[in-house]
Amino acid sequence: DGGITQSPKYLFRKEGQNVTLSCEQNLNHDAMYWYRQDPGQGLRLIYYSQIVNDFQKGDIAEGYSVSREKKESFPLTVTSAQKNPTAFYLCASSIPSTVGAFFGQGTRLTVV
Amino acid sequence: AQSVTQLGSHVSVSEGALVLLRCNYSSSVPPYLFWYVQYPNQGLQLLLKYTSAATLVKGINGFEAEFKKSETSFHLTKPSAHMSDAAEYFCAVSEDTGFQKLVFGTGTRLLVSP
Repeated sequence: DGGITQSPKYLFRKEGQNVTLSCEQNLNHDAMYWYRQDPGQGLRLIYYSQIVNDFQKGDIAEGYSVSREKKESFPLTVTSAQKNPTAFYLCASSIPSTVGAFFGQGTRLTVV
Repeated sequence: AQSVTQLGSHVSVSEGALVLLRCNYSSSVPPYLFWYVQYPNQGLQLLLKYTSAATLVKGINGFEAEFKKSETSFHLTKPSAHMSDAAEYFCAVSEDTGFQKLVFGTGTRLLVSP
């Protein structure tokens, strides 16, 4: 079945450590996105990529980095510069011919 | 800049009652509008979308929404609530035709009581 796989589902890290969240899709979608979800704030766009080897900052990119070396993969690194990294992270993908994005199941990151 | 306002962070209904979740948008161009549903610790599932075709859009699980340009609204309704409808609902807007950079509202949690 086609879909978006995010791993791990739960992630715990110590403060000051970098951590990488995985996002893989087998939908052959061109565009991929990372959103951050906090209670009462909806979803906010961190980074997005329309094609391989190219990506753009979203609304809250500070403290995050991404790469897009393959069409199916868009990993997100939460760096130590991110001041409040504890959140639910959602990856999504889309294609121009279909209006609407498809979402993965999310990764809940807790920094202790 | 585009934006979305969802009135009411929580809405409570009884099973069998009408569900009405409100969404107002702001956009400088004809928008694409979406409703997504999220169950606890899950990703988002697309309920329905408006793409400038019919103003009344039917989605999954018996939900529908009506695009009203004069009111800049896209409210979500369901005639009869079911216990399984209890979840968080997000309205979103996009102005992009090529790819879907979405702007989300803050969400409305629907509570359904027996």
